[in-house]
Amino acid sequence: ELKVEQNPLFLSMQEGKNYTIYCNYSTTSDRLYWYRQDPGKSLESLFVLLSNGAVKQEGRLMASLDTKARLSTLHITAAVHDLSATYFCAVDPSGNQFYFGTGTSLTVIP
Amino acid sequence: NAGVMQNPRHLVRRRGQEARLRCSPMKGHSHVYWYRQLPEEGLKFMVYLQKENIIDESGMPKERFSAEFPKEGPSILRIQQVVRGDSAAYFCASSRAKLWNEQFFGPGTRLTVL
Repeated sequence: ELKVEQNPLFLSMQEGKNYTIYCNYSTTSDRLYWYRQDPGKSLESLFVLLSNGAVKQEGRLMASLDTKARLSTLHITAAVHDLSATYFCAVDPSGNQFYFGTGTSLTVIP
Repeated sequence: NAGVMQNPRHLVRRRGQEARLRCSPMKGHSHVYWYRQLPEEGLKFMVYLQKENIIDESGMPKERFSAEFPKEGPSILRIQQVVRGDSAAYFCASSRAKLWNEQFFGPGTRLTVL
């Protein structure tokens, strides 16, 4: 059974600090996606990583993909309160469906 | 360009009733996916459809659940004889094509079964 695991599951960090969220997956996939979800809301696409070694940055968030290690990271730089949300990674090995990670609930404390 | 639309946004049903959830994909998108999210959990795939065809329904419960995407009109996820365990948020996503498969998500329908 394909597994997508994120850690940590819960993350509380102070404003201004840096941290990394990890996403491990158990099958071959050249594509990985990161989404953000605010409470009671839908999923907002953050990054689409399409190949090994891909790195993308948007504001205080940077995502990378290592397909050989089956690992993606989402790095947060100098966190601000607006980044508080749940972050999901997802892989798409077959093109038919996304397999979502367990989610990381991030709370940024002023 | 309107995004993925779902209605209703909130749906309350009593046990044993039927629930119908609708999804209109983004313009130009012919691939529709349904996911279910239980409280405090990630999204779980249910079914993948193209116009008039079910491509992958490996995530659909064997009974009471069905989905369609007719030639005209929205995709429908239908749950018959709902039970309390069906209470969840149901999200629809659409994509332009299978190979370039970035999925765009709708706002979701939150189903509550009393």
